[in-house]
Amino acid sequence: AQSVTQLGSHVSVSEGALVLLRCNYSSSVPPYLFWYVQYPNQGLQLLLKYTSAATLVKGINGFEAEFKKSETSFHLTKPSAHMSDAAEYFCAVSDTPGNTGKLIFGQGTTLQVKP
Amino acid sequence: DTAVSQTPKYLVTQMGNDKSIKCEQNLGHDTMYWYKQDSKKFLKIMFSYNNKELIINETVPNRFSPKSPDKAHLNLHINSLELGDSAVYFCATMEGTNYNEQFFGPGTRLTVL
Repeated sequence: AQSVTQLGSHVSVSEGALVLLRCNYSSSVPPYLFWYVQYPNQGLQLLLKYTSAATLVKGINGFEAEFKKSETSFHLTKPSAHMSDAAEYFCAVSDTPGNTGKLIFGQGTTLQVKP
Repeated sequence: DTAVSQTPKYLVTQMGNDKSIKCEQNLGHDTMYWYKQDSKKFLKIMFSYNNKELIINETVPNRFSPKSPDKAHLNLHINSLELGDSAVYFCATMEGTNYNEQFFGPGTRLTVL
């Protein structure tokens, strides 16, 4: 069975500082991995996805993530935090690619950005 | 035009009532999903339809019944509402060939009193 663990339910950074949100996955097959962002009272928006092509994936709003098979990790980073980055971030793994497409989510990480 | 829309956005009702949430998509995607986000913001799959056929039914109480009248719509009907049903319900769609990327609606916040 597939699963996702996000380390740290709450991360606080200063504006301009590095953002690092951690995600580890478990999957018996090569996974598809995703990061979604949820702003208050809104739906989920895709930040980036890993689909077995390049291991370093660039997404929207300056975010990127690196797939590390040996560490079963897919951590999300951004070099310089902006106030508008404050939101809830979800890492997700998909079931067998091309099958039902069901997403299994991590517990979420709340990113707080301090001025 | 909104790609994935849900109505209503907010739903407040009494225990024991029956209510429906509607989802419509104009992306032409084949697969649609319902997810439940609880008070701790944990997201869990409930159902999925592919071309009007149910393909996922995740240990959800029988009080919940999805219905897909056509490929663009997936509705969720809930009978005999309970306090524990209070949550945000998200509809999502997926184009099968696009690496399982899903597009989410804005959510429906259901509050059962």
